[in-house]
This record gives sequence, C-alpha cells and structure tokens, in this order.
Amino acid sequence: SAVISQKPSRDICQRGTSLTIQCQVDSQVTMMFWYRQQPGQSLTLIATANQGSEATYESGFVIDKFPISRPNLTFSTLTVSNMSPEDSSIYLCSVGQGPYEQYFGPGTRLTVT
Amino acid sequence: AQSVAQPEDQVNVAEGNPLTVKCTYSVSGNPYLFWYVQYPNRGLQFLLKYITGDNLVKGSYGFEAEFNKSQTSFHLKKPSALVSDSALYFCAVRLSLDSSYKLIFGSGTRLLVRP
Repeated sequence: SAVISQKPSRDICQRGTSLTIQCQVDSQVTMMFWYRQQPGQSLTLIATANQGSEATYESGFVIDKFPISRPNLTFSTLTVSNMSPEDSSIYLCSVGQGPYEQYFGPGTRLTVT
Repeated sequence: AQSVAQPEDQVNVAEGNPLTVKCTYSVSGNPYLFWYVQYPNRGLQFLLKYITGDNLVKGSYGFEAEFNKSQTSFHLKKPSALVSDSALYFCAVRLSLDSSYKLIFGSGTRLLVRP
C-alpha cells in the first residue's frame, strides 16, 4: 500500500487564522481525499482533490473555508481558513489505490483556541 | 441514501475470548464493505474488505468478517482477542457502481480487551 505522510502532525492555532496541511504520497495516485474527524466522531468526507482541476466538495463544505490544491499526482494541501474552535478536529488525507481500497495518512490534529 | 450503523459504542471482551463488532448497512445497490481500525493518535488502518464472492473474508491481524446480504450486515470477528486489539473500529460502505471511491463511515465502535 502507499505510504502517506502529513504535515504538521498537530498544531494549536488561534481563531481567525488559517492553517495549511500537507499530504505527501510515495507513489502517483489518481484519487486523493480529505476527511474530517471531529472529537469522538466518525469520519466525514470534505472533498475529493482532483489533479489539474478544482476539488469536488461534499455538502456542507465550501471552497472558501477549505481551499484545496492538487498540483501533481503525489501531493495535496488542505487549508482551514478563518478558523474557529468548531474546526478543532483531526484532518486526514487518503488515497484510492487499486480498484477498491482507500488508505489513510496519520492525520493532523488541529486545536483552535 | 447510503448509511452505515454500528449499534455498539463500545465492546468489552476478555483476552482469549472471541470478539464480534457489529455493522449493518443500507444502500440501494451492491455494496463494497470495509473495516478500518484506528489506534490512539494514529490514522486509519485498512483491515479487510468485501467486494464479491465468498461471504467470509479474512484480513489483517487475524480478523475476519462475514457478509450477510439478507441481514445487510458485515460483522467483524476474531476467534481470540488480544489486549493489543483494543482500538476504535470503523465500518465503511461504498456503492459498487460509484467510481469515486467515496466511503460512508459508521460511527465507530471502541473495542476494549481486558487482560
């Protein structure tokens, strides 16, 4: 399976600021995704990061709040903009590999004060 | 709409005993089903999947799961639990006709294996 790394692994940020999370994969992948896991909750898909085009956002998530870049087949970033305490979550990137599986990075634990 | 239910927030089992973590799903069409495990401060690790064929699928770390179409269930099982199996387990579903890889996750079940 692909090896996925995320930076930073955790951060504490002040409200009103923005944080960019990086996701790096050790092989080229077509499908990359960003998920949010709020404290004690399950995972919710934020968006699909498409290489060479705009990300596809799920209901309840908008580009102004969560801009995503996908400059190539091994890298993507997610920015959490104008943060509030409600944005405190674990943010995970994942990749689709093979016809079925999806593999996840270690996550970025964000705390907004 | 697709959905996944994990009816138990927590499952407690003694080491050496069999364990079952329950999952039921609701989809319109044929599902692809997955189990993931999350250890503290770690990302999700893929355990196993059901795509088609044999209803009993085997995965990592001695886990297996049984697909039951009539009961729309995909319960995770292990014959003999280890303390190191203690973690958060997620069931997920994807429609077979959906090429987007999009996964719908259950709410998670915390497994606690006591020595």
